[in-house]
Amino acid sequence: GENVEQHPSTLSVQEGDSAVIKCTYSDSASNYFPWYKQELGKGPQLIIDIRSNVGEKKDQRIAVTLNKTAKHFSLHITETQPEDSAVYFCAARSFGNEKLTFGTGTRLTIIP
Amino acid sequence: SAVISQKPSRDICQRGTSLTIQCQVDSQVTMMFWYRQQPGQSLTLIATANQGSEATYESGFVIDKFPISRPNLTFSTLTVSNMSPEDSSIYLCSVTTGSAGTQYFGPGTRLLVL
Repeated sequence: GENVEQHPSTLSVQEGDSAVIKCTYSDSASNYFPWYKQELGKGPQLIIDIRSNVGEKKDQRIAVTLNKTAKHFSLHITETQPEDSAVYFCAARSFGNEKLTFGTGTRLTIIP
Repeated sequence: SAVISQKPSRDICQRGTSLTIQCQVDSQVTMMFWYRQQPGQSLTLIATANQGSEATYESGFVIDKFPISRPNLTFSTLTVSNMSPEDSSIYLCSVTTGSAGTQYFGPGTRLLVL
């Protein structure tokens, strides 16, 4: 089955700097890669996703890149703000499979 | 997108008792899932709730412990039976919507078993 690895497990950046979180997946049939943000006491919130027919997707300060050959995808947050502090999860799903496989999460702390 | 609500939002229960968690979605959805998230951990899929048929459970989860109902396309329940302190977790309802199968999560139910 699919295996998703996520790094780093914790990340601290100065406010205004950029943050990058990386995930690798094992199943070459995976074609959907969402990212979720989970704030304390809340459920995971979908912040961006990418499908295997594109290499990059951007939404304001957030971008996701996908390298299908290397089987890895990354979340990029620019101009970080204190409200970006949260746990971020990557996930992957293959065509015809309804189930997401999640990474282990990254705790991002923005230092004011 | 989908707006998902869960009840209760949190509960403290005694061991040996059962708790039923409700999940309501604001639109009809095909796929509904139940996840468990233990403290500081990632999300683990318990089962897929199938409308009109029995739920499909993942390895390590059984129907006797986590019975699930899905009476229609907008509602599901998860029961945590004969609880022990090890069942203390966040339980999350999730749905996929649209032809692209975008997946959304509810706010979660925080369960503490004493």
